[in-house]
Amino acid sequence: SAVISQKPSRDICQRGTSLTIQCQVDSQVTMMFWYRQQPGQSLTLIATANQGSEATYESGFVIDKFPISRPNLTFSTLTVSNMSPEDSSIYLCSVDGLAGGETQYFGPGTRLLVL
Amino acid sequence: LAKTTQPISMDSYEGQEVNITCSHNNIATNDYITWYQQFPSQGPRFIIQGYKTKVTNEVASLFIPADRKSSTLSLPRVSLSDTAVYYCLVVRWNAGNMLTFGGGTRLMVKP
Repeated sequence: SAVISQKPSRDICQRGTSLTIQCQVDSQVTMMFWYRQQPGQSLTLIATANQGSEATYESGFVIDKFPISRPNLTFSTLTVSNMSPEDSSIYLCSVDGLAGGETQYFGPGTRLLVL
Repeated sequence: LAKTTQPISMDSYEGQEVNITCSHNNIATNDYITWYQQFPSQGPRFIIQGYKTKVTNEVASLFIPADRKSSTLSLPRVSLSDTAVYYCLVVRWNAGNMLTFGGGTRLMVKP
């Protein structure tokens, strides 16, 4: 299994500002994913990030609002831009499994509160 | 991908066996059934995955009937620490490994 860390673990931000969330994996992985989990809700996939290519965004999510970087096989960032209170959520990164890729391993999440 | 339906919540008591059933009527030939567990303030954790019949690991068992339109996650002798949300997912093999989470089942284990 992969060990995934995220920074920051939590933050409180003012509306209109941006926050960049980092995701670090202890091994090289092909695919990394970013999810959003709103309070009391299930997880929603934001985008898929492969190293060396543009991230692929799901319906309802756009690059201008959630720019993603994937500079190498162990690291990715998600920026939440021009935040509003509606962006208050937990943001999680995950990576594909190392054996066949049929599972994903999740980071602990970043809890974001926008005032 | 096939949509999944599972109970919103379940209650149980310590020491009991818990069975959570998930329906996935439109499952395709190359889809797998996967269960994740999520504790508060943590990311989801993979529990078990199967294609058909029965799969067992150190944490749980997964029962899948021949038609694969449903599956049952079985947790033997639950403890308070098994209180969590359990998600049933249908995952398409080699299709970008995308996971689509449904609502999940919130399991409360009582003393």
